[in-house]
Amino acid sequence: ELKVEQNPLFLSMQEGKNYTIYCNYSTTSDRLYWYRQDPGKSLESLFVLLSNGAVKQEGRLMASLDTKARLSTLHITAAVHDLSATYFCAVDIQGAQKLVFGQGTRLTINP
Amino acid sequence: EAGVAQSPRYKIIEKRQSVAFWCNPISGHATLYWYQQILGQGPKLLIQFQNNGVVDDSQLPKDRFSAERLKGVDSTLKIQPAKLEDSAVYLCASSLGPSGAYEQYFGPGTRLTVT
Repeated sequence: ELKVEQNPLFLSMQEGKNYTIYCNYSTTSDRLYWYRQDPGKSLESLFVLLSNGAVKQEGRLMASLDTKARLSTLHITAAVHDLSATYFCAVDIQGAQKLVFGQGTRLTINP
Repeated sequence: EAGVAQSPRYKIIEKRQSVAFWCNPISGHATLYWYQQILGQGPKLLIQFQNNGVVDDSQLPKDRFSAERLKGVDSTLKIQPAKLEDSAVYLCASSLGPSGAYEQYFGPGTRLTVT
């Protein structure tokens, strides 16, 4: 059974600081997704990582994938309050088009 | 392009009652998913359809949950009878499927409260 673990689960940080969210998964996969969820809202797709070594950046967020280590990271640069949300990684079970989600990381950015 | 539509957005029922949720996927998306998201957790897949056929329903509590996707477009998810632990947000998602990218697009969800 595929397990996806994120850490930390809760993160409180100050504006302007950098931090990284980690996503580990237990079986082989080369397709990983990052989603953002605001309170009471649905999931918004942030990044789709489709191969080993993939790196994608959008604004202050950068995601990477290391399929050999079964690890993805979401790096936040110079955080701003608007990035406060819960971030989920999800791993696609190969060939099955099914997503297994991590527990989520609740990010709070304080002024 | 219109996104995934779901209704109702909110529903409050008493335990042992029945409830149904509706989903209209993005036009042309062959694959449709229903997820259950309990407060504070990540979404959990309940059922996956490819056109109007079930691909995976291994995590669907079949004694009380049922789902169908008639004509390979809209889908309904039903709970009968509801239990307190069914309180959650039910998310519908769709993707192009094998003919295209596998990225899933999520609807706004239906928040169910069972009292």
